[in-house]
Amino acid sequence: GGIITQTPKFLIGQEGQKLTLKCQQNFNHDTMYWYRQDSGKGLRLIYYSITENDLQKGDLSEGYDASREKKSSFSLTVTSAQKNEMAVFLCASSDNSGNTLYFGEGSRLIVV
Amino acid sequence: GQGVEQPAKLMSVEGTFARVNCTYSTSGFNGLSWYQQREGQAPVFLSYVVLDGLKDSGHFSTFLSRSNGYSYLLLTELQIKDSASYLCAVRAVGDNSKLIWGLGTSLVVNP
Repeated sequence: GGIITQTPKFLIGQEGQKLTLKCQQNFNHDTMYWYRQDSGKGLRLIYYSITENDLQKGDLSEGYDASREKKSSFSLTVTSAQKNEMAVFLCASSDNSGNTLYFGEGSRLIVV
Repeated sequence: GQGVEQPAKLMSVEGTFARVNCTYSTSGFNGLSWYQQREGQAPVFLSYVVLDGLKDSGHFSTFLSRSNGYSYLLLTELQIKDSASYLCAVRAVGDNSKLIWGLGTSLVVNP
């Protein structure tokens, strides 16, 4: 088995601040994803990456940057934190079929 | 437009069963997945189906009808710990075959 580790579990920052979430997986999966989960809304894809150094925009990429410098890690940066984007950010990975996603425990963004 | 619909809430009783419905409308179909998400935890994969019919996996079974754009997740012999949100996700064709997620059904299992 494998595991996906997201850090930090809680990310607290000020409005306008640049904040970064990190994600590591040891499944040796090629594809990794960042989703945002808001209460009452479905999972929304921010960025995904199909291999090292690849980046693909999802439906919600505005205001975010991502980086896939190694196969095992995928980071997400909130370029200018806003109070209306306080949500849970979920990292996931999958093999090339994408039929099964393995999720991390999530990181909650708090903007003060 | 494309979409995946699920009822928001479902209640059932311990020891009985629950059927969580999912209807979808997508440009093409490349498989449907079910995930369980307990409060404050990560979604956990339960099942993937791409062919019509019932896939029996014991406690969880999954049905798919592609012609009707419909699936359900059937939980039998319910336990209190089955109380969770159940998410349906459909993979469309084209547009990088992205996953389209439903909002999830919150299942409450009462004693």
